[in-house]
Formats: sequence, C-alpha cells, structure tokens
Amino acid sequence: DSGVTQTPKHLITATGQRVTLRCSPRSGDLSVYWYQQSLDQGLQFLIQYYNGEERAKGNILERFSAQQFPDLHSELNLSSLELGDSALYFCASSDHPGRGSYNEQFFGPGTRLTVL
Amino acid sequence: DAKTTQPPSMDCAEGRAANLPCNHSTISGNEYVYWYRQIHSQGPQYIIHGLKNNETNEMASLIITEDRKSSTLILPHATLRDTAVYYCIVRVAGSSNTGKLIFGQGTTLQVKP
Repeated sequence: DSGVTQTPKHLITATGQRVTLRCSPRSGDLSVYWYQQSLDQGLQFLIQYYNGEERAKGNILERFSAQQFPDLHSELNLSSLELGDSALYFCASSDHPGRGSYNEQFFGPGTRLTVL
Repeated sequence: DAKTTQPPSMDCAEGRAANLPCNHSTISGNEYVYWYRQIHSQGPQYIIHGLKNNETNEMASLIITEDRKSSTLILPHATLRDTAVYYCIVRVAGSSNTGKLIFGQGTTLQVKP
C-alpha cells in the first residue's frame, strides 16, 4: 500500500460525458502527478501540481483539466469523453517539487475508465 | 530527457539473478537513471536511481557503465513476485526541473519457477 488513494476504482460511462477522478496523496506530500496508461500509448505523464499550483504539463488534452485543493487532494476532470480516453489513470505523490535527483513517486492503484 | 532502449521481454529462473539492461547512449552529464517497475496493472513502484556510481538498496543494484551510455538493473535473487514490467527512465535533475517521469515501453520480466 503506497498511501495514495484513488476513487473510483472503476468507471464506465458513455461518449460525450464528463467524469471526475479523485486522488488523495500520502500524508504530507505536496506534489501530485497524473498519468494515463492506455494500451497503444503506454504510460504518459499528464500534469503535476505542487502545493496547489500547476508545476508541469505533459500530453494533457484541452478536454482534460485538473486542480489541487488546499487539503492537497487532487481531481482530474475529463470532459467530452471519446472512446480513446478509455485507460487506466494513475495518480502519484511525492514530498518534493521534483527539482532534485531524488524523485521517488508513490503511485495509487489507479482508476480504470471505460468509455462506451 | 534522453531516450532509453530496453529489450521488450526477458525470462529469469526463480532464485537466480535477473539482469535488466538499458541503453541510454545520448545521456548528458546532468541526467540521472531511474528504475521503476509495474506489477500487473498496479501503480508503478520506484526501485532505485543513480548518476554515475553503482548503487544498491534493499530491492536491487544499479550498475552504470563508465561512459554512462548504458546501465543494468540487478535483482539478486528473483522471486515470482518480481514478475513485472521494468522501466528505465533518464531524467535531468536541477532547480528548474519538475518530477515528471517519461516512461518508455519497458522490459517485461517473467520469473519462472
């Protein structure tokens, strides 16, 4: 158990819909990262927040957005869903912004999104 | 960040050492090598990282060649629970950097009884 929790575990929805994925980082961790894992693209970095502020952006679509709240939990919002958005979405946390060489990230169990 | 090349799959007998290679021939001086693994759709797990010296922790050893163009992750006594996809990642560490990890395709290690 990494200490990172993600809800829900599974989500099935239809094309065009909007969903929200939730992540609670390890106690005390200020950084939250979101990754998407699909069969054809592998594990891809989406976005990082550090202490409420966006710190890095990866291949995140405009239809997707995220935020980190004052209690440090984070939400990833996916809208106008397409079949290709079906994937495992992982949240990870760390206690640092990611500048230094030490970069251990603790990953949650993921949310499996299926778009029908 | 430098690109890495790993074999797509490897087998290892239980109890034997598993040696997973990674090629990063374009690595630059301020880039570190990290290893993560992912066990069957669980979240990835950090294993070890290094710059140029060999590193060892309770999970594994990391051997980096003198020219730093390749490295090997060693699991000294592989068990069935070590069956996973192993990712080698190269990343710059510095004041302007973030913690984002760029994953490649990794090596699927199958430990056999």
